[in-house]
Amino acid sequence: SQQGEEDPQALSIQEGENATMNCSYKTSINNLQWYRQNSGRGLVHLILIRSNEREKHSGRLRVTLDTSKKSSSLLITASRAADTASYFCATAGMDSSYKLIFGSGTRLLVRP
Amino acid sequence: EAGVAQSPRYKIIEKRQSVAFWCNPISGHATLYWYQQILGQGPKLLIQFQNNGVVDDSQLPKDRFSAERLKGVDSTLKIQPAKLEDSAVYLCASSLMDRGPYEQYFGPGTRLTVT
Repeated sequence: SQQGEEDPQALSIQEGENATMNCSYKTSINNLQWYRQNSGRGLVHLILIRSNEREKHSGRLRVTLDTSKKSSSLLITASRAADTASYFCATAGMDSSYKLIFGSGTRLLVRP
Repeated sequence: EAGVAQSPRYKIIEKRQSVAFWCNPISGHATLYWYQQILGQGPKLLIQFQNNGVVDDSQLPKDRFSAERLKGVDSTLKIQPAKLEDSAVYLCASSLMDRGPYEQYFGPGTRLTVT
């Protein structure tokens, strides 16, 4: 079963605007990761945030984590057409396997 | 460094036939994963190897799917016999995993169509 659920399922914005995607999960986690998938390609890791962290930045990406609400958000600032992709959150559980459970993803379209 | 390699990239087979996918992880990565991604969904973990031992195969349909990782490097995922619902992209990923949870590096995937 999928633990993370992204919202919205699809998002269309104009180039230069900010894009915000949300992820909710159900059980306690060790960390939460965000991945990007371009059409027909494999996934690319974007950022990892641990359960004891609240916010993390990487370039134009900002991720927040609220463990009390079991939710995370990914903000992409000053979006570009090249940001068009599907974005997935994935949660790693507390057991030693650290296996990832992926959500269903948000499809982002950035219009030039 | 070279990324995760997978082959073939595309495969079309008829139901009840068998198929095999190959994966070569990033050099030095101890952990290897196989995922199934159905169109419009997120990847679902099928099996996780740590070196050549299985860590998790709870979602692997063992009546038709099998996987091995000989010598702790390359891995093969096999489906026999295939069903229509096996149509999906099969993704291989690897990670260091020697000091805790790390990001996973994904290959380009194999798109399987079962007719």
